[in-house]
Amino acid sequence: QQPVQSPQAVILREGEDAVINCSSSKALYSVHWYRQKHGEAPVFLMILLKGGEQMRHEKISASFNEKKQQSSLYLTASQLSYSGTYFCGTEMTAGGTSYGKLTFGQGTILTVHP
Amino acid sequence: DAGVIQSPRHEVTEMGQEVTLRCKPISGHNSLFWYRQTMMRGLELLIYFNNNVPIDDSGMPEDRFSAKMPNASFSTLKIQPSEPRDSAVYFCASSLLGYTQYFGPGTRLTVL
Repeated sequence: QQPVQSPQAVILREGEDAVINCSSSKALYSVHWYRQKHGEAPVFLMILLKGGEQMRHEKISASFNEKKQQSSLYLTASQLSYSGTYFCGTEMTAGGTSYGKLTFGQGTILTVHP
Repeated sequence: DAGVIQSPRHEVTEMGQEVTLRCKPISGHNSLFWYRQTMMRGLELLIYFNNNVPIDDSGMPEDRFSAKMPNASFSTLKIQPSEPRDSAVYFCASSLLGYTQYFGPGTRLTVL
């Protein structure tokens, strides 16, 4: 079951903040966040595990609400380099049996202008 | 350390031809994933291996697609015969113990 990301696109000015959400209809074990720049491969940002803490990568942080089966990515004081498409990947069961199989959302396009 | 290596980076072929995409995972990683990315369907998991054994190939679209992993350092994705709707970017990713997946640069396939 593909997770649903919102919004589909965000346009920001440098220094502004944004939130990207990722929701699943099924219970999750972990949520992985990736950023992909045009013409490049997705690059890992962070992983949130069930029962784990909120994570941070530079000025980007994320949370995981297990009860609501959703994760949010917070981009603070955005920089031009934050532009790209952000994907959440969800894992339904613990790594031992799914070997890290991820189902990716459709992506959120983030554009940061000077 | 070298990341995931894929070849070729670009492939242009004619409908009906056989296409073979290659992937070398990060040394020491024991899981390997093949994805296909298109504007319409996004990033789709085709098949993945653990310790060289195929675990789940439910994402492989048709019998025209096949994948092998003969050893821990090499995998192939083959399309035979290829069709225009197979045009996409194909990514290979590897991970250790099912955690962070590291993606290769991708192969952009165009089937005319």
